[in-house]
Amino acid sequence: DAGVIQSPRHEVTEMGQEVTLRCKPISGHNSLFWYRQTMMRGLELLIYFNNNVPIDDSGMPEDRFSAKMPNASFSTLKIQPSEPRDSAVYFCASSRIRDGHGYTFGSGTRLTVV
Amino acid sequence: GENVEQHPSTLSVQEGDSAVIKCTYSDSASNYFPWYKQELGKGPQLIIDIRSNVGEKKDQRIAVTLNKTAKHFSLHITETQPEDSAVYFCAARLSNFGNEKLTFGTGTRLTIIP
Repeated sequence: DAGVIQSPRHEVTEMGQEVTLRCKPISGHNSLFWYRQTMMRGLELLIYFNNNVPIDDSGMPEDRFSAKMPNASFSTLKIQPSEPRDSAVYFCASSRIRDGHGYTFGSGTRLTVV
Repeated sequence: GENVEQHPSTLSVQEGDSAVIKCTYSDSASNYFPWYKQELGKGPQLIIDIRSNVGEKKDQRIAVTLNKTAKHFSLHITETQPEDSAVYFCAARLSNFGNEKLTFGTGTRLTIIP
């Protein structure tokens, strides 16, 4: 099992540019979560999906953020336009709905907006 | 919603001594409490978890205790080793199922002094 795969590992972009982060969950997992980690705010849940359907996007900070899950093996988090305050590490995690254990996290994407 | 507080934010322990990290939660309906370890440059990794129908759980040098009445739970690491140095996060969830979101504490940076 390759685990949760995120790409890219690092992204540096200029303010105003569009950024797309990608996630491939573990095969067979049907819940997917996007978290953002910063020193100031810790781990914040942005959005999560069950069976590819968005369940709770109340953590998405602004309309500049959007997330999609077109199928069970792929999800994207898009920021358009990006701002310096979006700089953070973005984690994707997945789990099975009927699994009573916690998530499995990916290695994260470190985003720097200059 | 659920609120999880974690203390201390930093902890330094001599190698071989024990370390204790404490968390409190606000929603008495929460019934699943995992602990994650995050090493530098990596995503959080589940190390142990406990459910509300259990008061204590052990796994080798790691143990977790839960006091439902007081709404707090703790992580205990005995015979600490240099590889235990990391950031530790507690979390709480309302459901036994993997499709519900976890609310995380703010993290504890544990340093093991050789």
